[in-house]
Amino acid sequence: NAGVTQTPKFQVLKTGQSMTLQCAQDMNHNSMYWYRQDPGMGLRLIYYSASEGTTDKGEVPNGYNVSRLNKREFSLRLESAAPSQTSVYFCASSETGYTGELFFGEGSRLTVL
Amino acid sequence: AQSVAQPEDQVNVAEGNPLTVKCTYSVSGNPYLFWYVQYPNRGLQFLLKYITGDNLVKGSYGFEAEFNKSQTSFHLKKPSALVSDSALYFCAVRIVLVSGTYKYIFGTGTRLKVLA
Repeated sequence: NAGVTQTPKFQVLKTGQSMTLQCAQDMNHNSMYWYRQDPGMGLRLIYYSASEGTTDKGEVPNGYNVSRLNKREFSLRLESAAPSQTSVYFCASSETGYTGELFFGEGSRLTVL
Repeated sequence: AQSVAQPEDQVNVAEGNPLTVKCTYSVSGNPYLFWYVQYPNRGLQFLLKYITGDNLVKGSYGFEAEFNKSQTSFHLKKPSALVSDSALYFCAVRIVLVSGTYKYIFGTGTRLKVLA
């Protein structure tokens, strides 16, 4: 089973460039999440989607947009990248209404120069 | 504000010794608590969770955690550490939003180093 798949795994951008991080899950989960991981700060929630067709802001949404394309896919877009967005990004999914855990992708390491 | 705290950035323990990684939380209502482990250049993996019931929860790889409501703690433990347990450990709490959806709040992580 693939679980949660993220692409790309690595990306280097210049300030002002745009890009989209892709995430897909094959567990038929309703809820999907985007986190960023920075040293000493743990994981911070950027956006989440409780179900297909809905998205909500997390703790640090500024500079990002998301799209819940269908039940499987949840993408994160940086419209104009800034050095402060250099981070490791994780997509995760879980089953809504269930006392369940999050399933994480392997991460996407983004560097903005 | 609802939060999770991991007071130690790093824990060092000798192989074969017991280990404890500390976590305290501040949430309203009954907490749903989780522990995750992250190996280098990998995503987080679920270890164990507390929802209700027995305060001692057993999980993967011989780990267990003790829920203490009066101390609002959920410490991760293992009776005998292995070098392969060396990793970054995260405590998390699940909170229910007004909309009925769920959000997970993570601690800042504790790096466990098991010395041979």
